[in-house]
Amino acid sequence: AQSVTQLGSHVSVSEGALVLLRCNYSSSVPPYLFWYVQYPNQGLQLLLKYTSAATLVKGINGFEAEFKKSETSFHLTKPSAHMSDAAEYFCAVIGGGATNKLIFGTGTLLAVQP
Amino acid sequence: SAVISQKPSRDICQRGTSLTIQCQVDSQVTMMFWYRQQPGQSLTLIATANQGSEATYESGFVIDKFPISRPNLTFSTLTVSNMSPEDSSIYLCSAGTGNYGYTFGSGTRLTVV
Repeated sequence: AQSVTQLGSHVSVSEGALVLLRCNYSSSVPPYLFWYVQYPNQGLQLLLKYTSAATLVKGINGFEAEFKKSETSFHLTKPSAHMSDAAEYFCAVIGGGATNKLIFGTGTLLAVQP
Repeated sequence: SAVISQKPSRDICQRGTSLTIQCQVDSQVTMMFWYRQQPGQSLTLIATANQGSEATYESGFVIDKFPISRPNLTFSTLTVSNMSPEDSSIYLCSAGTGNYGYTFGSGTRLTVV
């Protein structure tokens, strides 16, 4: 069964610094991968998705992620962090089977220091 | 992508009672799901809401505790039955067409006292 692992439950960066949030997947077939963001007391918002087209995927708010099959990774990056990026970030994969359910990683809480 | 309206946004309920959460999508979707997010944790899938048939529950979740309805392609409800404080969580509805990503409702913050 497909799954994702997020390394680092908490990441802290300075404003203007590079953001790197790690996600590795486990899948026996080409996966569909997603990054979601959850701001405090809100639902989830889709940041970007990989659906087997271009390996470098650009999303909203300046985020991007690169699908690397050799490393089974789909890390999320942003060149310059902004205070408004502080949130919880979830990597997810389509779990396979008939229902196409989304399976989530454990999440990474991003703090941005002034 | 689909827009989801979920209500109530929050509620405080007495133990032993039930709460029904509604999820309305602004367009027909093939897939609808219900998730639970316990404080400080990730999302756990409760069940897939199937249109016109019984929901498909994940391990650890049962229909008697979390009955789900999906009468059409735009609407679903989740009931949390015979609640206890351990049911205090955020419950989220999700909908979409699978490979292209799912949209989430804003969640229902449930506190059981």
